[in-house]
Amino acid sequence: GAVVSQHPSWVICKSGTSVKIECRSLDFQATTMFWYRQFPKQSLMLMATSNEGSKATYEQGVEKDKFLINHASLTLSTLTVTSAHPEDSSFYICSATKDRGAEQYFGPGTRLTVT
Amino acid sequence: DAKTTQPPSMDCAEGRAANLPCNHSTISGNEYVYWYRQIHSQGPQYIIHGLKNNETNEMASLIITEDRKSSTLILPHATLRDTAVYYCIAGGSNYKLTFGKGTLLTVNP
Repeated sequence: GAVVSQHPSWVICKSGTSVKIECRSLDFQATTMFWYRQFPKQSLMLMATSNEGSKATYEQGVEKDKFLINHASLTLSTLTVTSAHPEDSSFYICSATKDRGAEQYFGPGTRLTVT
Repeated sequence: DAKTTQPPSMDCAEGRAANLPCNHSTISGNEYVYWYRQIHSQGPQYIIHGLKNNETNEMASLIITEDRKSSTLILPHATLRDTAVYYCIAGGSNYKLTFGKGTLLTVNP
């Protein structure tokens, strides 16, 4: 149990376009979902936390107008990178938790390349 | 989250136990110790967590010292597939996880 999926697994887009990444909890209802970013040879950096039906909470330094997060249901959260630039190229990973403070279950990640 | 210190890398022979240490001397009373691992180019995988008592599951054992200032993750019989970066995280009281640099465990044949 506790499987999280992401779609797409990889995407290439042109500079200036927007890209949407989906995160789904397949066999449980996720009270909270998290979005991370990981650059090559670096650790995961938390971008934002989202709860179903409410606005996401962004970490310091993360532009909320650039990284739009929607948590439409207890099993789906989406991250939209708007007006993507090459420096947004990264590995984006989501996670979900059943309860606050409980362990997080991670998706397989989405590799975004902006050309 | 409390700061954690892990060795940057470790080696282990296949079939032997892998013991991964973690220091978290500033951990507060309500903060858990979590262990995750990340195989190259994949999302992290939850391994185990604990508060005060030692914990064991099908993947690993977690030994937490009595003063809670350090812990050890034990993989009892390491396989080649256990080669990964292992992250020790002390915190989660605000349900967030702060990832450090972790320990790259290389299991050798």
